[in-house]
Amino acid sequence: GDSVTQTEGPVTVSESESLIINCTYSATSIAYPNLFWYVRYPGEGLQLLLKVITAGQKGSSRGFEATYNKETTSFHLQKASVQESDSAVYYCALGITGNTGKLIFGLGTTLQVQP
Amino acid sequence: ETAVFQTPNYHVTQVGNEVSFNCKQTLGHDTMYWYKQDSKKLLKIMFSYNNKQLIVNETVPRRFSPQSSDKAHLNLRIKSVEPEDSAVYLCASSATLNTEVFFGKGTRLTVV
Repeated sequence: GDSVTQTEGPVTVSESESLIINCTYSATSIAYPNLFWYVRYPGEGLQLLLKVITAGQKGSSRGFEATYNKETTSFHLQKASVQESDSAVYYCALGITGNTGKLIFGLGTTLQVQP
Repeated sequence: ETAVFQTPNYHVTQVGNEVSFNCKQTLGHDTMYWYKQDSKKLLKIMFSYNNKQLIVNETVPRRFSPQSSDKAHLNLRIKSVEPEDSAVYLCASSATLNTEVFFGKGTRLTVV
């Protein structure tokens, strides 16, 4: 079936350090799923961070970026220099296109950025 | 403010009771969803509605029933709750199928 596996948290980094949260996916119902990173900040609802719908393309937002790699079925999230305000839970997800709008989520990775 | 609003934020109830959660979106979207996040943090779709029509009904026990009065509202009723229903229920909406999905803050249900 379709599934997403991501770095098991919590991940703790110091401010200004670089970050990578790994995400790999398995898509059996669709050859080219859409890929997403969602984020939930403390006290907030889940919100879209970035998305990429074309294999080989890179998405970026708020200093984060992720590249859709179909060969390795990966969509790792990276940031060169994290800030304390980046502390949140990050979810990798794949979208089953077609007429369902369904999202398949990973288990989430809690990021704690120390000042 | 336009967003997805859920009530209540928390609910504690006993096994066998009926509960109902409300969801309203003020984004003018055509599609709404319910997701469940269980104790293992797995976030999984339960239902999706497009223009008030049921599109997705995952393998969900029959005691769960979505209720859509119009495109802006999608409530969730659970008849006779069981301990495994303890979870966070997230309501969401999107303009159409396969466009950006906006989530509410969730309703945390505890069944004792």
